[in-house]
Amino acid sequence: AQKITQTQPGMFVQEKEAVTLDCTYDTSDPSYGLFWYKQPSSGEMIFLIYQGSYDQQNATEGRYSLNFQKARKSANLVISASQLGDSAMYFCAMRGGAGGTSYGKLTFGQGTILTVHP
Amino acid sequence: EAGVVQSPRYKIIEKKQPVAFWCNPISGHNTLYWYRQNLGQGPELLIRYENEEAVDDSQLPKDRFSAERLKGVDSTLKIQPAELGDSAVYLCASSLETGTGWTETQYFGPGTRLLVL
Repeated sequence: AQKITQTQPGMFVQEKEAVTLDCTYDTSDPSYGLFWYKQPSSGEMIFLIYQGSYDQQNATEGRYSLNFQKARKSANLVISASQLGDSAMYFCAMRGGAGGTSYGKLTFGQGTILTVHP
Repeated sequence: EAGVVQSPRYKIIEKKQPVAFWCNPISGHNTLYWYRQNLGQGPELLIRYENEEAVDDSQLPKDRFSAERLKGVDSTLKIQPAELGDSAVYLCASSLETGTGWTETQYFGPGTRLLVL
């Protein structure tokens, strides 16, 4: 079975500063993908960034980057130059590949509420 | 390109009443998912469809929940009868599965917030 742990219930950051949201995972699947989603108060889950277990380089998407440390089983999200609109709940999620026990479904962590102060 | 569409956005019902949620996935996406998100938690998968076939419904409470995806496009999730504990956000997602399983991104709709009184 897969497990995602997000140990920070809430984080605060000053506008224009960088912030790191922690995520650790556990899986027995040989191949897997790691995802980060943003959920504003409106409720929609917005895809931010993806990292594959075989990817050699850390993923980046604009102001978002994923600090992937496979040996430590961590996949932290880094948001650079925070904006007020970044205030939301952030979820780390994982899915396994074909042949794995968690093929097809996303397993989510508990989430981290990020508040950006002006 | 239109995203995943869900309706209604909000629903308030009394316990023991039936309720239905509708989802239209992103055009061309072959796989559709229904998740339930309880307050303060991450979503949990209820059922996954590949085209018309329900390939994973192990977490669907089959005594009161049912789902269908006729013609492999839009889908309906039904609860009958609803219980107080069913109050949650019901999220629909879709993806274009190409076979690897771990690289495909799931895109979510806005969700339906259900309150059972």
